[in-house]
Amino acid sequence: GQSLEQPSEVTAVEGAIVQINCTYQTSGFYGLSWYQQHDGGAPTFLSYNGLDGLEETGRFSSFLSRSDSYGYLLLQELQMKDSASYFCAVRDRGEKQAGTALIFGKGTTLSVSS
Amino acid sequence: GEEVAQTPKHLVRGEGQKAKLYCAPIKGHSYVFWYQQVLKNEFKFLISFQNENVFDETGMPKERFSAKCLPNSPCSLEIQATKLEDSAVYFCASRPTAGAYEQYFGPGTRLTVT
Repeated sequence: GQSLEQPSEVTAVEGAIVQINCTYQTSGFYGLSWYQQHDGGAPTFLSYNGLDGLEETGRFSSFLSRSDSYGYLLLQELQMKDSASYFCAVRDRGEKQAGTALIFGKGTTLSVSS
Repeated sequence: GEEVAQTPKHLVRGEGQKAKLYCAPIKGHSYVFWYQQVLKNEFKFLISFQNENVFDETGMPKERFSAKCLPNSPCSLEIQATKLEDSAVYFCASRPTAGAYEQYFGPGTRLTVT
C-alpha cells in the first residue's frame, strides 16, 4: 500500500528552528510536496522537491532523499503565525499524468509559543 | 478568477438527504480534484477531472457519490442519501495544465450530516 508517516505534533518557541520529518512508501514516486493548513482552512503550497537535496524559500526549506524515501520541512525563525498543520504529500505518477491526485500524510500540528 | 471558489461554505443535511457542493476552479486550470478531510486529518482523494472528463475516480464511493465538471459551469460533487460518516470538509483543488507542481485549494465546504 501507499503511506506517508509524519509526527502528529511538534511544539516550539518563537525564534526557534523546527524540523518535520516525512517518510513515504509509494508504488511510484514523482516528487514530495509540503502544504500548510491553518485551522482547517484552505491548504496552501509551501514547497516541492523532485530531486534529492535542499530547496530553500525564505524561512522555510525542504529536503528530499529518494534513496531513503525521506524528506523534511525545516522552519526557521519561528513566528506565532507558523502555528498550523503541515502535510507532506507525494505524487505516485509522473508529469504526464497531470490529473494524478496527491497522497497526503496525516499532518503535523505545529504549536509555536512565545 | 485567481482563486478556487467553493460554495456553500457550510451545509447541514439530515441523514438520507441529498447534498450538492460546487467548485469553480481557477480560470485556465484544466485539472480539478476533490478531497475529503475528516476532523482535520489526512485528505482522502475522491475524484479528478481533466476539463470535463473524469481522469481518476478511484476514491469515489460510487453508490452514493457522483461528480461533474461541465463546460462553462462550476464543477459539482453530489452525495445521494448522506450518512453520518460523510460529515467532513470537502476541498476542491485545481492545477494548471503543465509545469507547476502546486495544487491550488479552495476554502472547502463543511458538510454536517445530522
